[in-house]
Amino acid sequence: GAVVSQHPSRVICKSGTSVKIECRSLDFQATTMFWYRQFPKQSLMLMATSNEGSKATYEQGVEKDKFLINHASLTLSTLTVTSAHPEDSSFYICSAPRGVPPEAFFGQGTRLTVV
Amino acid sequence: AQTVTQSQPEMSVQEAETVTLSCTYDTSESDYYLFWYKQPPSRQMILVIRQEAYKQQNATENRFSVNFQKAAKSFSLKISDSQLGDAAMYFCASRNSGNTPLVFGKGTRLSVIA
Repeated sequence: GAVVSQHPSRVICKSGTSVKIECRSLDFQATTMFWYRQFPKQSLMLMATSNEGSKATYEQGVEKDKFLINHASLTLSTLTVTSAHPEDSSFYICSAPRGVPPEAFFGQGTRLTVV
Repeated sequence: AQTVTQSQPEMSVQEAETVTLSCTYDTSESDYYLFWYKQPPSRQMILVIRQEAYKQQNATENRFSVNFQKAAKSFSLKISDSQLGDAAMYFCASRNSGNTPLVFGKGTRLSVIA
């Protein structure tokens, strides 16, 4: 089946630094990828839609300058958390749709801790 | 806007018994899809079952089945012969047609008692 690989799985960074999270579709091309954020014991909330060849679409309340999304190719989308602060600590997970009708394939997620 | 509501934060079931997780949703679309996802402690999202809204027949995947009541906008998940490995967080989700994102409910934490 289709595989989506997300890297890194865990990252600890210092406050004020930037962190890049990669989401790759390993055996299919994805013109669209989705980035979600999950706080502890809560649900997944859509942050943004990553579009290959165009700007990402951000959900209301998500700062586009803090969460930079780049869909560099048909198999790679990156989320960069800029000038990270402790409140950015969370679980970030990407998904890519494949097939008709599309089925969502999820990455393994990234646990970000900002200290 | 789509909304998905799960009113049971926690549920428990005895091993080998049956449990039903509730979900209601709201959408203005006529073409949409409904899903149940399992999230174990690893936090990897695992698709349990999906239902196309245009299909009247309830989806079934081995021990997992749904009760899809379109008029009532209800989509419950029944787990039969519960196993210890079924213990996890379960999320109900919906999606419109096309390459659209999933909208998730708040989740139900299922415990399985040996």
